[in-house]
Amino acid sequence: EVQLVQSGAEVKKPGESLRISCKASGYTFTNYWIGWVRQMPGKGLEWMGIISPDDSDKRYSPSFQGQVTISADKSISTAYLQWSSLKASDTAMYYCARPIMLRGGIVWIDYWGQGTLATVSS
Amino acid sequence: QSALTQPPSASGSPGQSVTISCTGSSSDVGGYDYVSWYQHHAGKAPKLMIYEVSKRPSGVPDRFSGSKSGNTASLTVSGLQAEDEADYYCSSYTGSNNLGVFGGGTKLTVL
Repeated sequence: EVQLVQSGAEVKKPGESLRISCKASGYTFTNYWIGWVRQMPGKGLEWMGIISPDDSDKRYSPSFQGQVTISADKSISTAYLQWSSLKASDTAMYYCARPIMLRGGIVWIDYWGQGTLATVSS
Repeated sequence: QSALTQPPSASGSPGQSVTISCTGSSSDVGGYDYVSWYQHHAGKAPKLMIYEVSKRPSGVPDRFSGSKSGNTASLTVSGLQAEDEADYYCSSYTGSNNLGVFGGGTKLTVL
């Protein structure tokens, strides 16, 4: 059974750093891209970025380029989303997701993590 | 890339049918047959319900169906059941090297 299990909720102050994780199981990690989706309070879903199975290619949404870093450790089948300096506006639910890639882009998502709530407040 | 447009809410009584629309443009919904739909119960992982406009993954009841006409895709839930109450999001492929786009979501209420 494919599972994406995310790390727990976080409460941070503005300016602090944060790394959240997504551990994959039930499939060969290096066969699929993996990525992160943001849902701000009361809002819809937004792709933040994705990383290739061998960590050789990363694609970020323009809105998130330079704001976050996506990485992966294939030895432990885990993807990460990292901030170096959080802002209050980073308060959101973050989902990891396994996108299906065709024609060079994302055509659908077949599995999602359960979400990690990040709260940034002074 | 602008978000796809969905109605914020939809509702129906048990046993009835409800259709949720998802409107985009010729650059996304209208340009490709890669529209997908996701069901999201609060506190749980979203679930793929429809892919490639009208295909259902294994395990998704055939009460859920998808279609597309021009720049608008639709999700129809027939024979509404209490457990169908959830948020539903559409998404579309937007071309090579792009991440795709989501709709704003529709809250489906079973009356």
